[in-house]
Amino acid sequence: AQSVTQLGSHVSVSEGALVLLRCNYSSSVPPYLFWYVQYPNQGLQLLLKYTSAATLVKGINGFEAEFKKSETSFHLTKPSAHMSDAAEYFCAVSGGNQFYFGTGTSLTVIP
Amino acid sequence: GAVVSQHPSRVICKSGTSVKIECRSLDFQATTMFWYRQFPKQSLMLMATSNEGSKATYEQGVEKDKFLINHASLTLSTLTVTSAHPEDSSFYICSASEGALDAGELFFGEGSRLTVL
Repeated sequence: AQSVTQLGSHVSVSEGALVLLRCNYSSSVPPYLFWYVQYPNQGLQLLLKYTSAATLVKGINGFEAEFKKSETSFHLTKPSAHMSDAAEYFCAVSGGNQFYFGTGTSLTVIP
Repeated sequence: GAVVSQHPSRVICKSGTSVKIECRSLDFQATTMFWYRQFPKQSLMLMATSNEGSKATYEQGVEKDKFLINHASLTLSTLTVTSAHPEDSSFYICSASEGALDAGELFFGEGSRLTVL
C-alpha cells in the first residue's frame, strides 16, 4: 500500500528565505511521487513529479525536490521564498490507479 | 499541460434541491476521472472514481444515491448532489488522467464551492 506523510501542517518563512516542506512516503513498489500546490478556492496545480528518472527533480516556480530512497523522503525546497508562494502544498504518491495525498502543508511567507 | 475545466465554480442552493457539477477534459480523453471533496484546511478526500461507460466506484462511506456520478463520454463527468443539505456544503474538485495513473499525473479542475442554505 502507498501513503505519504507531510510533517508540519503549517510552515512560515521570511521572504527570501529557504523553503523546506517535508514529505515521507511508504510504498511497496518503486513510487511515483508528486508535489501539488493549491491557491485559495482553486484546484491543484502540479509543481513537479518523480517517475524514477533523476533523483533531483526541478519543477515550476523555482521549486525542486529530491528523492531519497534511503530516507523514503521527497522533500520540496525553494532557495528563496516569494510572497506569491504562500499556498497549500500537497505531496502525493500514485499506485493502483489511485493517488494518495498527504494532509497538506500551509506555507506562509512573511514580508 | 492538459486542461480540466470544472463548472460552476460557485453555486448556492436551497436545502432539498439538487446541484450538478460538470468536469470536462478540454484537450485530452479521460477514461478515468476522480471526484474529491475538500473541507476547510484539510486534504482531499476521494469520493469516487468515475470510469467512462461504466458505473462509478465509490469510496467507503460515500452515499452513491446522494452523490450521483455520470461519465457518459471521454471528456465529461458530472457529479450531482441530490437533495442537498447544509452538511453537503464543501469544495468539490474533479481530476482526470490521460492514461495509466502510476506514471502519469492527475490534472485538476478549478474546484466548485457548494453552499447549501
